[in-house]
Amino acid sequence: TQLLEQSPQFLSIQEGENLTVYCNSSSVFSSLQWYRQEPGEGPVLLVTVVTGGEVKKLKRLTFQFGDARKDSSLHITAAQPGDTGLYLCAGGSAGNMLTFGGGTRLMVKP
Amino acid sequence: DSGVTQTPKHLITATGQRVTLRCSPRSGDLSVYWYQQSLDQGLQFLIQYYNGEERAKGNILERFSAQQFPDLHSELNLSSLELGDSALYFCASSGRGLAGVYEQFFGPGTRLTVL
Repeated sequence: TQLLEQSPQFLSIQEGENLTVYCNSSSVFSSLQWYRQEPGEGPVLLVTVVTGGEVKKLKRLTFQFGDARKDSSLHITAAQPGDTGLYLCAGGSAGNMLTFGGGTRLMVKP
Repeated sequence: DSGVTQTPKHLITATGQRVTLRCSPRSGDLSVYWYQQSLDQGLQFLIQYYNGEERAKGNILERFSAQQFPDLHSELNLSSLELGDSALYFCASSGRGLAGVYEQFFGPGTRLTVL
């Protein structure tokens, strides 16, 4: 069974601070997705990383896939209240199945 | 907007009842997935359909069933409902993306409340 562990589970920071969320597994994934979910809504796909060592930037968000494709990180620079939400990582494997991490609940205070 | 639609948005019912949740995938997507998300919990995979056929099963209770119709929309049937079935139910769809790239696109969810 493939498992993805996210850390931290909860993060409360002030506007303007930087933060990093981690997603770790003992399994290799073909791809790694990051989603953001707001209360009562469906997860929204932020990015997909495929190649080991790959780095993708989306405005203030930087996503990295580990060299061995077992782990990933999401770094947010100068967090804003609009970044508040639940961040989920998901590892993709054959059959188009996703294994989801438990999520990191981020709150950015103004 | 992901292109995945779900109805109804909210559903309130009583214990012992049966409900049906509906999902229409993105245009062209053949795969549909159902997930359950309880309060402050992660996403629990229930079941996957591909082009009308069941492809994979997760932690789906025997009281729950699903199907995918020829027009590719899917329905999740929940019966003999219990209080613990109260949750958000999400549908996701995926298409034939790049090899090795497995992305799913989620609908807005149905919030089920069992009283």
